[in-house]
Amino acid sequence: GQNIDQPTEMTATEGAIVQINCTYQTSGFNGLFWYQQHAGEAPTFLSYNVLDGLEEKGRFSSFLSRSKGYSYLLLKELQMKDSASYLCAVLDSNYQLIWGAGTKLIIKP
Amino acid sequence: IAGITQAPTSQILAAGRRMTLRCTQDMRHNAMYWYRQDLGLGLRLIHYSNTAGTTGKGEVPDGYSVSRANTDDFPLTLASAVPSQTSVYFCASSDSRDSNSPLHFGNGTRLTVT
Repeated sequence: GQNIDQPTEMTATEGAIVQINCTYQTSGFNGLFWYQQHAGEAPTFLSYNVLDGLEEKGRFSSFLSRSKGYSYLLLKELQMKDSASYLCAVLDSNYQLIWGAGTKLIIKP
Repeated sequence: IAGITQAPTSQILAAGRRMTLRCTQDMRHNAMYWYRQDLGLGLRLIHYSNTAGTTGKGEVPDGYSVSRANTDDFPLTLASAVPSQTSVYFCASSDSRDSNSPLHFGNGTRLTVT
């Protein structure tokens, strides 16, 4: 079966750095997405990786290793507004999106 | 403001009743989707549409139906609601389903079936 694993919850301190991991086992691979979802709101697109390596976008970076079935989202200089759930999703060989359950990130002052 | 509009925002529905969740987008996206989101689970695809006039079944289609009469609208109907359909429902759209174009989501409909 197809599977996406992410930690359920993480806690970090304002101003610090946090890394949210995502491991996947899917039928083929056509890319990996990260979305941010604030409580009670819609998910919003953060990043897309299809090649190995690090993609940097401001305070957020996303890394992919296809051989290891692994990705992480790196958030730097954490702000209180970064408190949200972060969803990992993989596009399989049929272009079907497989979603992880999300990681709830709690930022403390 | 361009985007996706869902209605209603929330609804309490008696079991056995029929309900249509509305979804409209103004981005001229070809593909549209309906997901449900339940605590502790990833988003699960109910139905999708690659383009106007076509629809397909997702991971959890039973008890739901959709139509795509035009590009903008993609309503989801629960023919006879059951308590297990209590969930948050998100409509989404993208340029194309068979591509890496990101999804744009509506603000969701919180449905409680009693």
